[in-house]
Amino acid sequence: AQTVTQSQPEMSVQEAETVTLSCTYDTSESDYYLFWYKQPPSRQMILVIRQEAYKQQNATENRFSVNFQKAAKSFSLKISDSQLGDAAMYFCATMEYGNKLVFGAGTILRVKS
Amino acid sequence: GAVVSQHPSRVICKSGTSVKIECRSLDFQATTMFWYRQFPKQSLMLMATSNEGSKATYEQGVEKDKFLINHASLTLSTLTVTSAHPEDSSFYICSARDMRNPNYGYTFGSGTRLTVV
Repeated sequence: AQTVTQSQPEMSVQEAETVTLSCTYDTSESDYYLFWYKQPPSRQMILVIRQEAYKQQNATENRFSVNFQKAAKSFSLKISDSQLGDAAMYFCATMEYGNKLVFGAGTILRVKS
Repeated sequence: GAVVSQHPSRVICKSGTSVKIECRSLDFQATTMFWYRQFPKQSLMLMATSNEGSKATYEQGVEKDKFLINHASLTLSTLTVTSAHPEDSSFYICSARDMRNPNYGYTFGSGTRLTVV
């Protein structure tokens, strides 16, 4: 069974600074996908970034990048040049091929101006 | 991009009545949709997987007779909370998997806040 662990219930970052959110997971599959979703106060779930496990290269989307360590089963999210609009709850999730998403407990990110 | 519409966004109902929540994929077909429940500052808890043309698959501990799911077409799934009670008050979210990109991840609806009084 898939499990996802986010060990940081809350994080804070100063505007324009960089912050890293941690995520570890467990899966018995060799082929799977990893995601970071953002849930702002509106509660709309927004896909931030996606990583295919068979790809060694870390995914990047503008100010968002991941550090994917497959052997360690770690998938952290780095947010550079943090903006006030980045304040949200962030969920790490895994998906085995063709299967359902499994979410971590979430990390609340606060951005200070 | 893929869009999922969820209605209503908020609903208040009296205890003992039933409430229906709709989830529509607007620009893609979804053979599979998912229903989640979320409590404040907590993660999404998967309730059931909705499959077009067949019975839904419920997660352990979810009462299938209380949370009725119907997926009658490739673009519409509904969740009906039957005989609602105050403890059913929560935020319900649906998501859909785009058949064109089944491993891309899921698109989420904007959620429904249910309050049972």
